[in-house]
Amino acid sequence: DGGITQSPKYLFRKEGQNVTLSCEQNLNHDAMYWYRQDPGQGLRLIYYSQIVNDFQKGDIAEGYSVSREKKESFPLTVTSAQKNPTAFYLCASSPDRADLTDTQYFGPGTRLTVL
Amino acid sequence: QKEVEQDPGPLSVPEGAIVSLNCTYSNSAFQYFMWYRQYSRKGPELLMYTYSSGNKEDGRFTAQVDKSSKYISLFIRDSQPSDSATYLCAIYNFNKFYFGSGTKLNVKP
Repeated sequence: DGGITQSPKYLFRKEGQNVTLSCEQNLNHDAMYWYRQDPGQGLRLIYYSQIVNDFQKGDIAEGYSVSREKKESFPLTVTSAQKNPTAFYLCASSPDRADLTDTQYFGPGTRLTVL
Repeated sequence: QKEVEQDPGPLSVPEGAIVSLNCTYSNSAFQYFMWYRQYSRKGPELLMYTYSSGNKEDGRFTAQVDKSSKYISLFIRDSQPSDSATYLCAIYNFNKFYFGSGTKLNVKP
């Protein structure tokens, strides 16, 4: 079964803690993305990576960090510097940017709540 | 100015109605347009993808791009209660995807 998995589905964090959200894909896609979705708002890009060991900041990268040590994995760390981290986090992947016939696939999401 | 704007709705229609969902975009150079459907508490799933202008049909769904007015539309014919979801338009440009805020659709039985 090909696809994108995210874990955990629900995550609770205390103030001041760092937490890491997992994203794995077995689609052999080159590019991976992290988005944040808040109620009534669209998807906002946090970070994206086009190849292993390389990633770029999106529109709201402050308070977040990522790594891309393997093609299939793109974990997101929400640090204590992120002032309002409660949101729905979505990971996505897409094939080489020159081929958009498959475009972008999304994982099921992780809902993070700060207590 | 945001790259893509979308009316958030919500939109409520009776079963069997024709639904029209719309977005406007800012840059006439954009060429790749997508529509996603997102059920509550789930990740978005790709519905339709179009390149440049024109129409694309898939079953009850038709995606339309009007480049002269920078307007993209998704039409749903014979809408069903199972179509109740949030619909997101998206544009791809130079390694990044830009999303509308989503329109929440409710199809009443």
